[in-house]
Formats: sequence, structure tokens, C-alpha cells
Amino acid sequence: KQEVTQIPAALSVPEGENLVLNCSFTDSAIYNLQWFRQDPGKGLTSLLLIQSSQREQTSGRLNASLDKSSGRSTLYIAASQPGDSATYLCAVGDGNKLVFGAGTILRVKS
Amino acid sequence: GAVVSQHPSWVICKSGTSVKIECRSLDFQATTMFWYRQFPKQSLMLMATSNEGSKATYEQGVEKDKFLINHASLTLSTLTVTSAHPEDSSFYICSARAGQGFTFYYEQYFGPGTRLTVT
Repeated sequence: KQEVTQIPAALSVPEGENLVLNCSFTDSAIYNLQWFRQDPGKGLTSLLLIQSSQREQTSGRLNASLDKSSGRSTLYIAASQPGDSATYLCAVGDGNKLVFGAGTILRVKS
Repeated sequence: GAVVSQHPSWVICKSGTSVKIECRSLDFQATTMFWYRQFPKQSLMLMATSNEGSKATYEQGVEKDKFLINHASLTLSTLTVTSAHPEDSSFYICSARAGQGFTFYYEQYFGPGTRLTVT
């Protein structure tokens, strides 16, 4: 059974810092990995989707990497802003379903 | 593109009553829809997967007679919580996926969620 772990559970940083969120998964036989953002009481916003054949994806200040063999992914946020404050969820796709991690709660202080 | 809506966005119902939540794909045909539940400060847990015109497949531990899922068209799926109890209070999120056959690489598009409170 696939298990997804996210570290740290919570993170508080001053504005402008670069930061890294970590995601690990137990079964490397995945088809894709996706990073989402969730604001309090809201639904999910897809940030980046990495196919299993890819090593990384970039969108603006966000960069996500995938190391399938080691079961790890990282989300790099450059020059963090208060508007980045949210919960970040990592989800692994097995070809049919997504399995979510518990998330990292990020707070960027101005 | 790829917009998914849910209705209602929040609902309060009394214990013992039933409540229906709608999930619609607005600009694409969704072969498959997924229903997730999220308890406070927890992650999303998949409840069931539904393919248009077929019976839903429920995850282990999810009562199919309590959470009725219908996916009668390519743009609409409904989740009915029957005989709701306070422990069913949660945030319910649906997602939709286009494509047929090998859909491994098709992305799921998520709705905004429905907050259910059972009193």
C-alpha cells in the first residue's frame, strides 16, 4: 500500500527566503506526482505535475523534482512571499488513484 | 479550461437526514470522477471512484450504502450522504478526469469542496 509522507509538517519563514518542502513515497512504481496548494477552507489548486519519466517541472518561482528510484520529491519555492502561505500537498498517482500526504503548512511572515 | 464545480459549497443538515452534493465538469467530459473526504487538519482520503455509467468503486472502510454515488452523465456525479450523523461532518472534495483507456497520465481536476455539518 502506497504511503506518502511530507516533511516538515509546518514551516514558518520570513518573506524572501528560499525554501524546500519534502515528499517521500514508499512504492516507487508511480505514474506521476503532483503538488497542490490548499488555502484554509478551500479546494485544491494544482501547482505542478511531474510524469514518472520526468525529473523536474518548473512554474514561475516553483520547481519540483522527482527521484522515483529513491521515492522522493521536493518542491522548491524561491523568494517566498506572504501570499505563498497555505498548505502544500503532495500526491502520488498510481495510474488510477491519487494518494495524498498529510501536507506541509507554510507561513511566510512579512 | 478544466473547471470543476461543486454544489452546494456548504450545507448544514440534521442528524438522520440525507444530503446530496453535486460535482460537475464545466468544460470537459469526465470519464472518471473521484470523491474525497478531508477531516480538519488531515489530508484527503479517497472515498470512491466512479466511471460514467458504471457502479462506483469504494475504498476499504467506506460504506457504500451510506455514501451513494451516481455518475449518470459525463459531466455530473453526485454523492448522497444518507442518514447523516455528526461524525459524517467533513469537507468533501470531488475531482474529475478526462480520457479513456489508459488514463495514467491524465490529470485530475479538483472542485472547490463542500463543507458538510451535521447537527
